[in-house]
Amino acid sequence: DTGVSQNPRHKITKRGQNVTFRCDPISEHNRLYWYRQTLGQGPEFLTYFQNEAQLEKSRLLSDRFSAERPKGSFSTLEIQRTEQGDSAMYLCATLPANTGELFFGEGSRLTVL
Amino acid sequence: GENVEQHPSTLSVQEGDSAVIKCTYSDSASNYFPWYKQELGKRPQLIIDIRSNVGEKKDQRIAVTLNKTAKHFSLHITETQPEDSAVYFCAAKRITSGTYKYIFGTGTRLKVLA
Repeated sequence: DTGVSQNPRHKITKRGQNVTFRCDPISEHNRLYWYRQTLGQGPEFLTYFQNEAQLEKSRLLSDRFSAERPKGSFSTLEIQRTEQGDSAMYLCATLPANTGELFFGEGSRLTVL
Repeated sequence: GENVEQHPSTLSVQEGDSAVIKCTYSDSASNYFPWYKQELGKRPQLIIDIRSNVGEKKDQRIAVTLNKTAKHFSLHITETQPEDSAVYFCAAKRITSGTYKYIFGTGTRLKVLA
């Protein structure tokens, strides 16, 4: 499968723990997005990278959230001191240079107990 | 601020009937409007899109219309089939200072009844 790959697919953690999600984009897709999706809602924008530069962060992204894309390829999203309200599906999507179609990964589902 | 409203939140139709989902966007700088279909437990996938310089686009049983003046766009599915049952999301994209930002609607759960 040469699509967008996300790991882990599921993560169950206790409140207060740190978690990290990884996204491996389709090669040569220079734009990468992180979205959060809760049940019955549409994807909420979290942050956006163009190559390795983080160009925009949502106000939804508290200081417990950090994202990186160190070499402009894979990206990580870390949540520190998780809270129950962080439980959601975290979606990664990438965008090629010449079209408007966002390609989504399967998502990483986080459950905070 | 940026906002995309989507209606209805749920829609049930009989197989063979048409379904219409409507979205309204707030940012007049938006210039691209995709629709995504998300089946249970799966990733959202693009089904059709329209750019701001076009009023209507059709692909087999699916069509999208755009009214830029009113900032409305709609998805039309004709001759619905059970496999059309899914959650549908509209989105609006704007480009600001080279940044491409997509804002999604809250989704419509479509059920096609056999």
